[in-house]
Amino acid sequence: ILNVEQSPQSLHVQEGDSTNFTCSFPSSNFYALHWYRWETAKSPEALFVMTLNGDEKKKGRISATLNTTEGYSYLYIKGSQPEDSATYLCALRSNSGYALNFGKGTSLLVTP
Amino acid sequence: EAGVAQSPRYKIIEKRQSVAFWCNPISGHATLYWYQQILGQGPKLLIQFQNNGVVDDSQLPKDRFSAERLKGVDSTLKIQPAKLEDSAVYLCASSLVGGGNQPQHFGDGTRLSIL
Repeated sequence: ILNVEQSPQSLHVQEGDSTNFTCSFPSSNFYALHWYRWETAKSPEALFVMTLNGDEKKKGRISATLNTTEGYSYLYIKGSQPEDSATYLCALRSNSGYALNFGKGTSLLVTP
Repeated sequence: EAGVAQSPRYKIIEKRQSVAFWCNPISGHATLYWYQQILGQGPKLLIQFQNNGVVDDSQLPKDRFSAERLKGVDSTLKIQPAKLEDSAVYLCASSLVGGGNQPQHFGDGTRLSIL
């Protein structure tokens, strides 16, 4: 079981603010990193799957970067909207197994 | 495309009773996953199927949990007998292949409460 750490645990921002979260993981045996968004009473939704060091991916106002050498990924949200309120989960797959190891998530609340 | 279907959405049982959950993955997805998400924790993989074969069940408490994926399509997860610590959301997910570089598509989950 791999230790995937996410910070902060929770975050409360105002509409229009930009924000970012961190996912930290053991840098050895890296295979792929996933980001998911999980809104209350809905199913988790895949945002990004990242495999290459230096990868940057973007989906609308959300983007992510990956540094496999130092073992971290950042998720950025530009101009947060109330509909961005959700738990953002990071998950790592290593070379030594098939399982995705999830962090505990960052809970984001965006208020008008 | 239709998403991953799970049932029931909610289930309340007493400890030592049995319960079963059902999952129908996205059509054509070879890999199916069952996760357990306890409040305050991230989802934990219980079992991963590739078609109807088990790829990883290392974290499945086999003394009380069982899962099957007959015919390589839908799947059931059973708990018998349930313990208080089994209270959690049980998520089913599927992906085209199981290599880890494909996104997983999740169902809405089953919220299980043990009294």
